[in-house]
Amino acid sequence: NAGVMQNPRHLVRRRGQEARLRCSPMKGHSHVYWYRQLPEEGLKFMVYLQKENIIDESGMPKERFSAEFPKEGPSILRIQQVVRGDSAAYFCASSLRTSGISYEQYFGPGTRLTVT
Amino acid sequence: AQTVTQSQPEMSVQEAETVTLSCTYDTSENNYYLFWYKQPPSRQMILVIRQEAYKQQNATENRFSVNFQKAAKSFSLKISDSQLGDTAMYFCAFMKHETSGTYKYIFGTGTRLKVLA
Repeated sequence: NAGVMQNPRHLVRRRGQEARLRCSPMKGHSHVYWYRQLPEEGLKFMVYLQKENIIDESGMPKERFSAEFPKEGPSILRIQQVVRGDSAAYFCASSLRTSGISYEQYFGPGTRLTVT
Repeated sequence: AQTVTQSQPEMSVQEAETVTLSCTYDTSENNYYLFWYKQPPSRQMILVIRQEAYKQQNATENRFSVNFQKAAKSFSLKISDSQLGDTAMYFCAFMKHETSGTYKYIFGTGTRLKVLA
């Protein structure tokens, strides 16, 4: 059973370009979370999605950031007009359910975004 | 709002010795979950151990154990017989069920542990 997949692992963008980060959850998981880790900091929650629905985006910056989890295909975190402050590691996590013992989230390897 | 505090930015321990990493948290909730994650240089987040707040018994996983003090809101990690492969950043994390239906982690800032040969 493959784990959470993220690609690309490393992404370099110039200021003003768009960044698209992809996340394929574990097989059977329909809940996806995105976290951002700035250098020397812990992970910070950005958004929680289920298939075709954004459930909680309270951690997402109000502008330039968007996320989706379509019925088919991976979840996408999209950052428009990137700035240097967007340089960070972006982690995706998935879970089976949101109740009982299945609350635990499984993390992907992360995408390191560098904005030059 | 919940907060998680790790007051030790860096620690070191001799191979085969025991080390304890501290974590405190602030919440008014009664039901929640606590975790320790390990992040080696590869940056992969690896679950070390978990604790449900309703359980009084401290969780253990092989060489890893926790000291969970609910009243004091403390959740320390003890690593016994430290190995070189334990060298990593260690993050303490809190999770509870939000009214939005979300279970989201709140992470501390981490403790960088170095195991010395």
